[in-house]
This record gives sequence, C-alpha cells and structure tokens, in this order.
Amino acid sequence: TQLLEQSPQFLSIQEGENLTVYCNSSSVFSSLQWYRQEPGEGPVLLVTVVTGGEVKKLKRLTFQFGDARKDSSLHITAAQPGDTGLYLCAGKTGTASKLTFGTGTRLQVTL
Amino acid sequence: NAGVTQTPKFQVLKTGQSMTLQCAQDMNHEYMSWYRQDPGMGLRLIHYSVGAGITDQGEVPNGYNVSRSTTEDFPLRLLSAAPSQTSVYFCASSYSSGGYYGYTFGSGTRLTVV
Repeated sequence: TQLLEQSPQFLSIQEGENLTVYCNSSSVFSSLQWYRQEPGEGPVLLVTVVTGGEVKKLKRLTFQFGDARKDSSLHITAAQPGDTGLYLCAGKTGTASKLTFGTGTRLQVTL
Repeated sequence: NAGVTQTPKFQVLKTGQSMTLQCAQDMNHEYMSWYRQDPGMGLRLIHYSVGAGITDQGEVPNGYNVSRSTTEDFPLRLLSAAPSQTSVYFCASSYSSGGYYGYTFGSGTRLTVV
C-alpha cells in the first residue's frame, strides 16, 4: 500500500501569516493533486502537478512537485479566513480511477 | 447543475442490514470511484470503475459490492452492515486527457451503523 504522509496534521494561524504544508511518500507518483475540503462537502481540486520539479501558482497558493516525484508542498502566502479547510494531497500511479490520498492537513485561519 | 449526485446524505443502519448508496454523474466521465473517509486516515479507495461493465477492487473492498451497468451510475452496496463501516462515503468521477485528469466529488453520504 502506497502511503502519503502529510505534515503538519493541524495548523492554526492568524490572518496574514504564511504557511507550508508537506506531502511525502516513499513511492513515485506519475502526478499529484491537491484538494481542499470544507465541512459537509467533498474535496475540490486545486491543482495537478505532473513534472518533477514543477511549480504552479494559484493566486496566493504555490504548489511544488519534488524532483523525484515522491513529495510535494503547498505554500500559502498571507493566509485568509477563507483558506480554512482540510487540505489533501493525492498521488496517481495507475488509471485515473485510482488516487492515493494523504492523511490531510486541517488549517484554521483566524482574524 | 452538472456534477456528481450522491444519495442519501445521511443514513443510520442497524448491524446486519444491507443498503445501497447511489451515485450518478452527468459529465460523461469514464472513470468512477468510491472512497471512504475516516478521521486521521484521509480517503481510502473502496472500488473503482474504468468504464461501463468494468469494476475492480481498491484498498478496502471487503463488505462492499459495486456494479456499473451505465456510464452515469455507480451504486455501492453494503452487504451486511457492521459498525466498522461507519464513515463518510464519497463517490467521484474523473476524466483523463493527455496525462491530465480531473476529479469531481459528490457531497458525501454520512453513514452510521449501530
């Protein structure tokens, strides 16, 4: 079973602070996705990274895929309360039906 | 609105009962999957399908059954509910194109087995 470990598990910060969430595995993935999930809802896709070393930016969010395609990071600049949620990474090795999800990072941003 | 529709939203079962969680998508996606989400464990794959008539087991398939007779529908059956199946269940559909793929999740079914 491929495992994706995320750290930290919980993060509580104030508005305006920066943060980084990590997603690590001993397995190589052909691509990796990041999702955000709000209470009572399903995960919503934020980004897909495919190439080792790839960096993608989505407004204040920066995503990086490790050179060896075993790890990834999500950096949020100047966090806002609207960033609050559960962040999940998910790696793909086989078909598009099979994703391996990370354990999740619960982020709370307060005023 | 287009997307993945799951029913019911909430369900309470007694141990030993059976039930079917419904999932339908209207995006003509080839791929569909069922996941369960438990605290501290992320989402774990139960069963998946790469097209109508084709299904396969995921990481935690025991106690669950699926079928895919149409592209749109992918129901999940609990054969004999157990307290260990208390969880939130998510259905997802996805496409794959040129190495990229997009997942759309339903809003989930919260199941409690007593």
